[in-house]
Amino acid sequence: EVQLVESGGGLVQPGGSLRLSCEASGFTFSAYWMYWVRQVPGKGLEWVSRINGDGRRTNYADSVKGRFTISRDSAKNTLYVQMSSLRPDDTAIYYCARFTWAANYFDYWGQGTLVTVSS
Amino acid sequence: SYELTQSLSVSVALGQTASISCGETDIGTKSVHWYQRKTGQAPILVIYRDSVRPSGIPERFSGSNSGNTATLTINRAQAGDEADYYCQVWDSNNVVFGGGTKLTVL
Repeated sequence: EVQLVESGGGLVQPGGSLRLSCEASGFTFSAYWMYWVRQVPGKGLEWVSRINGDGRRTNYADSVKGRFTISRDSAKNTLYVQMSSLRPDDTAIYYCARFTWAANYFDYWGQGTLVTVSS
Repeated sequence: SYELTQSLSVSVALGQTASISCGETDIGTKSVHWYQRKTGQAPILVIYRDSVRPSGIPERFSGSNSGNTATLTINRAQAGDEADYYCQVWDSNNVVFGGGTKLTVL
């Protein structure tokens, strides 16, 4: 059974940092692109960052470029995102999701972890 | 940039049919995928490639896509179908989501 379990969310002050983790199980982790997608309260879904199977290719939404860093550890089957210079508009539920290139959609998601940026 | 337009909310009476639309010019030329998101739960894929149901998704869920509108249809709506629904396409090497539609079952 495919499972994605996020952790690391919490309350952080503006300008602060936080690292989110997503532990994957039930599939060959290194075979998939993985994404971080967020849902700002009252708004829709927004992709944040993505990383290919071997970790060598990464991309970021313009809204987080230069502030967030995505990475993965295949030995631990874990996806990460290091978030720095956090702003109040980064407040959101952050989901990790497995991406299927066959037709460009997400076939599995985690339950999300809430990040609140506030003083 | 490609933007998908969804109604903010849709209401449906228990047991009736709900239609949730996702609009953009020539969306019919793209594959559209739909996700259901309930508060506190992981989003789940309910339709992919316009009209294909993943294993475990009830037959009450169906999808279509033509012209400028893709539609998610939920027959015999149940209380448990109350959720936010998002459409998604792939455009210019990027994932694009609609703004989401809140489905209320009355």
